[in-house]
Amino acid sequence: AQSVTQPDIHITVSEGASLELRCNYSYGATPYLFWYVQSPGQGLQLLLKYFSGDTLVQGIKGFEAEFKRSQSSFNLRKPSVHWSDAAEYFCAVGASGNTGKLIFGQGTTLQVKP
Amino acid sequence: DSGVTQTPKHLITATGQRVTLRCSPRSGDLSVYWYQQSLDQGLQFLIQYYNGEERAKGNILERFSAQQFPDLHSELNLSSLELGDSALYFCASSPLTGNPVNEQFFGPGTRLTVL
Repeated sequence: AQSVTQPDIHITVSEGASLELRCNYSYGATPYLFWYVQSPGQGLQLLLKYFSGDTLVQGIKGFEAEFKRSQSSFNLRKPSVHWSDAAEYFCAVGASGNTGKLIFGQGTTLQVKP
Repeated sequence: DSGVTQTPKHLITATGQRVTLRCSPRSGDLSVYWYQQSLDQGLQFLIQYYNGEERAKGNILERFSAQQFPDLHSELNLSSLELGDSALYFCASSPLTGNPVNEQFFGPGTRLTVL
């Protein structure tokens, strides 16, 4: 069965520091992978997505993610974190079959220290 | 603003009651998805409609049902509510279906509290 694991429930980084949020997936074929961000009281916003091609994907707000098939990972990175990046981050995989449904990880809450 | 609207924003009700959550997709989007976000289960897919027809079903309870109307808005009906149904319910829309490449745009959610 398809699944997504985000090993870190909560991460705290200092403003200006680099960030890496981990995501591991279980999927039989080439996955469609996504990172979404949820700010308090808001819906989910797509940061970036991977379908095929270049394994390093650039997204909005300075985020990037790298697809590593050998490690079944799709980690999200940002070189320098801003206080406004504090939010909850979700990794998701597009389910197989003729739908577009998404299977989400449990989420990682990012806290940014001044 | 994603262009997806959900009403109401908050809903407080009692156990055993029935509620209806409403979603208006982005203009032109034919596909609507419902997700439930709770502390213990995380973010889970419930059901998808495409152009008025049910397309996929996830972990949706039998007490829950949904439909998509000719104007493409969708409603999620939750009945015989239990305390455990308290959650944030998201609606998302996308232009098409059958291809996860189509980005899903999420609404702000409806927070349901069952007392």
